[in-house]
Amino acid sequence: QKEVEQNSGPLSVPEGAIASLNCTYSDRGSQSFFWYRQYSGKSPELIMFIYSNGDKEDGRFTAQLNKASQYVSLLIRDSQPSDSATYLCAVNPRGTGNQFYFGTGTSLTVIP
Amino acid sequence: GAGVSQSPSNKVTEKGKDVELRCDPISGHTALYWYRQSLGQGLEFLIYFQGNSAPDKSGLPSDRFSAERTGGSVSTLTIQRTQQEDSAVYLCASRIPGRPNQPQHFGDGTRLSIL
Repeated sequence: QKEVEQNSGPLSVPEGAIASLNCTYSDRGSQSFFWYRQYSGKSPELIMFIYSNGDKEDGRFTAQLNKASQYVSLLIRDSQPSDSATYLCAVNPRGTGNQFYFGTGTSLTVIP
Repeated sequence: GAGVSQSPSNKVTEKGKDVELRCDPISGHTALYWYRQSLGQGLEFLIYFQGNSAPDKSGLPSDRFSAERTGGSVSTLTIQRTQQEDSAVYLCASRIPGRPNQPQHFGDGTRLSIL
């Protein structure tokens, strides 16, 4: 079983819709969770992080964490074509300097 | 301040040659990570440094790969006797360890092509 699993997609949504990206993780003791966006040919850039159960909102982005069920999700409201990218979920198992575990990413296409 | 800097941005070399990839992390970031990303694939962890020591080098694919870090700052990833399957983008990231909300910050990567 992989440490972090994501649906590779591709996920396609129409412009203005809500895109929902999901990630599950295996280490129940994981403390910190990050979403990165990676445009084709570019390096990953941080979108959001979350470490408390519940929702965290930042503009059009909402991260949701459920530690009991071991999943973290990212919602993108009012999706724009510029949101088309691969979204990577990363888990820091103990919240310290340890290795991060990355999922393989979900490819999102927002259709104008 | 400056972000993570990687050099060269692109490297083309012949099979069998050695290559050195450099990463200059954000000042004060004592944790440093190397990843490899093949075309259309996810991030493959290679090695993690805390200061100058590497507590986790489990991702290095073979003994042709080595990495070092000096002065708790710049790191060099060396690939000896390169093979075509080494062609990929090599990404470096740095982080302030010890705080759960601290993300990794990535450089722009080195695109390595083995002919």
